[in-house]
Amino acid sequence: QVQLVDSGGGVVQPGRSLRLSCAASGFTFSGSAIHWVRQAPGKGLEWVALISYDGTNKFYADSVKGRFAVSRDNSKYMLYLQMDSLTPDDTAVYYCARPQSGSYYDPYDYWGQGTLVTVSS
Amino acid sequence: DIVMTQSPDSLAVSLGERATLNCKSSQSVLYSSNNKNYLGWYQQKPGQPPKLLISWASTRESGVPDRFSGSGSGTEFTLTISSLQAEDVAVYYCQQYYTIPITFGQGTRLEIQ
Repeated sequence: QVQLVDSGGGVVQPGRSLRLSCAASGFTFSGSAIHWVRQAPGKGLEWVALISYDGTNKFYADSVKGRFAVSRDNSKYMLYLQMDSLTPDDTAVYYCARPQSGSYYDPYDYWGQGTLVTVSS
Repeated sequence: DIVMTQSPDSLAVSLGERATLNCKSSQSVLYSSNNKNYLGWYQQKPGQPPKLLISWASTRESGVPDRFSGSGSGTEFTLTISSLQAEDVAVYYCQQYYTIPITFGQGTRLEIQ
């Protein structure tokens, strides 16, 4: 069965970096784009980033552009989100999410369980 | 960016009654070449990731009870729960996946009256 497992969250000081991971299984990972979505405590959902199936194309929300970098290792079925220059506004639960047929323009049929990032001094 | 606006922000409905949740997009999410609306509805319960209920504005996902239905086209969409059950208490989000950046509505919190 399809599974996405997010990890790597924690408490980090403003200005520091953190790398999140998403371990995928149960589907052809190398055939699917993957998105990152975040949710600040008590708030709504915010799309963060998208990476194409082969890692050649990447897209970012304006709020993280230039600070966050998405990457993937298809041989390991792993997705990563490198987050630099973190600010308290980046505090959120971060989810990886799979588009239904692997395309950029699909709803998300599977989500990770989320990993909490807290940016605080 | 396409702005998604949901109404109301919160809604209280009696058990067994109908719940109607609305979503408007700032521009059309109907792709003319395939006549599909790039609009999804998600249900999120506390401590859980969102769950896809409805895709392409009106396609109920496998395993979703048939009391959930989606309608609308272009810029105006509705999620209807025909007979509210206790387990439907949640926050509901609409999402457009027509263009990047993908955007979500702010959510409608559904409660039991």
